[in-house]
Amino acid sequence: EVQLVESGGGLVQPGGSLRLSCAASGFTVSSQYMSWARQAPGKGLEWVSVIDSGVSTYYADSVKGRFTISRHNSKNTLYLQMNSLRAEDTAMYYCGRGAGPIDYWGQGTLVTVSS
Amino acid sequence: DIQMTQSPSSLSASVGDRVTITCRASQGISNSLAWYQQKPGKAPKLLLYVASRLESGVPSRFSGSGSGTDYTLTISSLQPEDFATYYCQQYYSTPYTFGQGTKLEIK
Repeated sequence: EVQLVESGGGLVQPGGSLRLSCAASGFTVSSQYMSWARQAPGKGLEWVSVIDSGVSTYYADSVKGRFTISRHNSKNTLYLQMNSLRAEDTAMYYCGRGAGPIDYWGQGTLVTVSS
Repeated sequence: DIQMTQSPSSLSASVGDRVTITCRASQGISNSLAWYQQKPGKAPKLLLYVASRLESGVPSRFSGSGSGTDYTLTISSLQPEDFATYYCQQYYSTPYTFGQGTKLEIK
């Protein structure tokens, strides 16, 4: 059974950093495209980033240069390193298997950027 | 970047109704389109991909169509569990943008 479990969210001050993790089971992250998307409170979905089955990564303009997507193959885990966080980064962050489409989603981890 | 525009933004309907949601891309996306359903407090769920291909386990009352820039999601006979928010997403080119969502409410 495919499962994705995010962790690492929390309250952080503006300008701070967080690293989100997404532990996968039931498949290997190294062989799949993997994505991050987010949803600000009461708002719609926003695509954030994708890593392909090789080393290529892509980012939304809103996070480019601040966020880094990566994976640890032996831990079967996807990461999102978030630096220089802003209030507008406050959202539920979801990891997903695939990029187009995303066929499995985690339950999300909440990131709140506030002083 | 490709912009995705959904209409309507919200919709009131009754159990048994047929409803259609439209998604328009700012440029052609060659059927690289997915539809998701999201219920409050839950993660999105994939319904359809490649514009019209039904994800395994999704009821056949959901269908998709379209080509080029214009796509539709149709629910043939609304069930109580279908009241949710629906999103389209293009995956033709990065950034893989979502539509703004359509909230389907009970009339």
